[in-house]
Amino acid sequence: DQQVKQNSPSLSVQEGRISILNCDYTNSMFDYFLWYKKYPAEGPTFLISISSIKDKNEDGRFTVFLNKSAKHLSLHIVPSQPGDSAVYFCAASAGAGTYKYIFGTGTRLKVLA
Amino acid sequence: NAGVTQTPKFQVLKTGQSMTLQCAQDMNHNSMYWYRQDPGMGLRLIYYSASEGTTDKGEVPNGYNVSRLNKREFSLRLESAAPSQTSVYFCASREQGQNTGELFFGEGSRLTVL
Repeated sequence: DQQVKQNSPSLSVQEGRISILNCDYTNSMFDYFLWYKKYPAEGPTFLISISSIKDKNEDGRFTVFLNKSAKHLSLHIVPSQPGDSAVYFCAASAGAGTYKYIFGTGTRLKVLA
Repeated sequence: NAGVTQTPKFQVLKTGQSMTLQCAQDMNHNSMYWYRQDPGMGLRLIYYSASEGTTDKGEVPNGYNVSRLNKREFSLRLESAAPSQTSVYFCASREQGQNTGELFFGEGSRLTVL
């Protein structure tokens, strides 16, 4: 059973526009969420995170929104740049001191110049 | 700093052969992880080690063993490789107690089992 779901395998966006990547989860115990970016032949790199006590976290062009009642989070990238083209994974963990991070299946973002 | 280093980067095995993937981190992190990445499946947790001397199963542990050799090193062993274990394997580490809980990943090890 996939506890963290990214239902859009791919997304194409024009340079300068907003990219919105979505993630849904089923486990109500999840209280910490992260987004990672992955380029081909490289390891994933951390982008931004959010705790369940917040509904929004911003870092430069990247903003993550959390809707706990809908068990949904989204990553907004504004403005999108060609260098943002990559696979994006969301991840979740449950409980203070937990060590297990469950990842989604990823969304491939292509930013068109 | 090197961060998280994985060896080998590429390996081809025949069914039934054994091998060990090595991982070392130089960030003095307490927790270490092994994930596999498969098309359409995302990153799935195989095993993790919360701290030196402890290991626990993740989502897909069957067919694998791990050893937390010391604080720096966490190895993943395939005793009898199967084609279903063809994948890209990522090692990661995390500083226990860190607020953001960020995982730092290695560059990956691509394994093909024929």
